[in-house]
Amino acid sequence: AQKVTQAQTEISVVEKEDVTLDCVYETRDTTYYLFWYKQPPSGELVFLIRRNSFDEQNEISGRYSWNFQKSTSSFNFTITASQVVDSAVYFCALIEETSGSRLTFGEGTQLTVNP
Amino acid sequence: DTAVSQTPKYLVTQMGNDKSIKCEQNLGHDTMYWYKQDSKKFLKIMFSYNNKELIINETVPNRFSPKSPDKAHLNLHINSLELGDSAVYFCASSPSGAPQGEQFFGPGTRLTVL
Repeated sequence: AQKVTQAQTEISVVEKEDVTLDCVYETRDTTYYLFWYKQPPSGELVFLIRRNSFDEQNEISGRYSWNFQKSTSSFNFTITASQVVDSAVYFCALIEETSGSRLTFGEGTQLTVNP
Repeated sequence: DTAVSQTPKYLVTQMGNDKSIKCEQNLGHDTMYWYKQDSKKFLKIMFSYNNKELIINETVPNRFSPKSPDKAHLNLHINSLELGDSAVYFCASSPSGAPQGEQFFGPGTRLTVL
């Protein structure tokens, strides 16, 4: 069965610090898809990135970067030079190919960036 | 312009009542979903419809009944509301050609059962 674990429940940093959010997943499928979503205090869920299991290339988008390592079943998310507006709950999620479109979320990490 | 919309945004009701939450998407997607987010922020899928056909039905009490009148709408009806139903309910949609693709979420409906 698929499972996503975000061991960090809460992280607090000071503005301009770099911060990494950890995500570890479990799956028996060889084909699967990993996601990160952001939920700001306003409550909506904002898509950040999707990665498939065959693409281990790291990705950078502005201050955001993602490190996908199949060997450790991890898909970590780093925010460089954090800003107050980055304060949100961040969810890592997984879809197994055999599960159709069933998106399984981790427990979420509450990131607070203090000025 | 809103891609996935839900009504109402807030719903406060008494135990035992029946209520509905409506969802509409204007993205032309064939697949729609309902998720529940509990008080600890945990998100779990409840249902998924593809072109009006139920394809995912998680272990959800049968007091919850989704209805899809057309592929742009997926409503959630809840009978005999209980305190434990208090949560935020999110509707989402995705293109049917890419079921493992990005799911677009609505703004959520906060349900409070008193």
